[in-house]
Amino acid sequence: SQTIHQWPATLVQPVGSPLSLECTVEGTSNPNLYWYRQAAGRGLQLLFYSVGIGQISSEVPQNLSASRPQDRQFILSSKKLLLSDSGFYLCASPRGQGEKLFFGSGTQLSVL
Amino acid sequence: AQSVTQLGSHVSVSEGALVLLRCNYSSSVPPYLFWYVQYPNQGLQLLLKYTTGATLVKGINGFEAEFKKSETSFHLTKPSAHMSDAAEYFCAVRPRGASKIIFGSGTRLSIRP
Repeated sequence: SQTIHQWPATLVQPVGSPLSLECTVEGTSNPNLYWYRQAAGRGLQLLFYSVGIGQISSEVPQNLSASRPQDRQFILSSKKLLLSDSGFYLCASPRGQGEKLFFGSGTQLSVL
Repeated sequence: AQSVTQLGSHVSVSEGALVLLRCNYSSSVPPYLFWYVQYPNQGLQLLLKYTTGATLVKGINGFEAEFKKSETSFHLTKPSAHMSDAAEYFCAVRPRGASKIIFGSGTRLSIRP
């Protein structure tokens, strides 16, 4: 079955520092991949999604970027973190068009 | 653009009472529709989904949802609330033929003894 690995689990970074969160998927090929940020009262905010290698769709203009260097790898990055980038970041992938999302275990990012 | 609206960020019901959590979507073509639940300190898990066919969908833990095209709604219900139903509930949509999956802002369900 499909498994999503996400790391690190927690991260504390100073303002202005770079960021790199990695997500890898097992048990499937050519998956759609998603980055969400979960904040209280705002649900899961879709940040980026990718339908294939090198294909990135951005949903929210912000300080973050995403890349997909390999079929089953999805990376969330920032050159300079802001306080507002703090949050819980989730990587996800569905098994198919009308299928449920599988989620990684998430990264709690605190920018200080 | 596709959007999902969950009315009520917090709903409180008594144990044994009806649970009704509201979800409306905005699109002319009905999307795929999902309800997820997140229990405290846990990840999201799928409660139920609507793809095609019967408009009343049954899920886990006694929950069900009805797709109403005329109202662009997919409200979640449970006839009798249990204390264990206390959690945050998220409605999500995926436009047919598209790749993005959008979540609502969530509804926190509290159960009163």
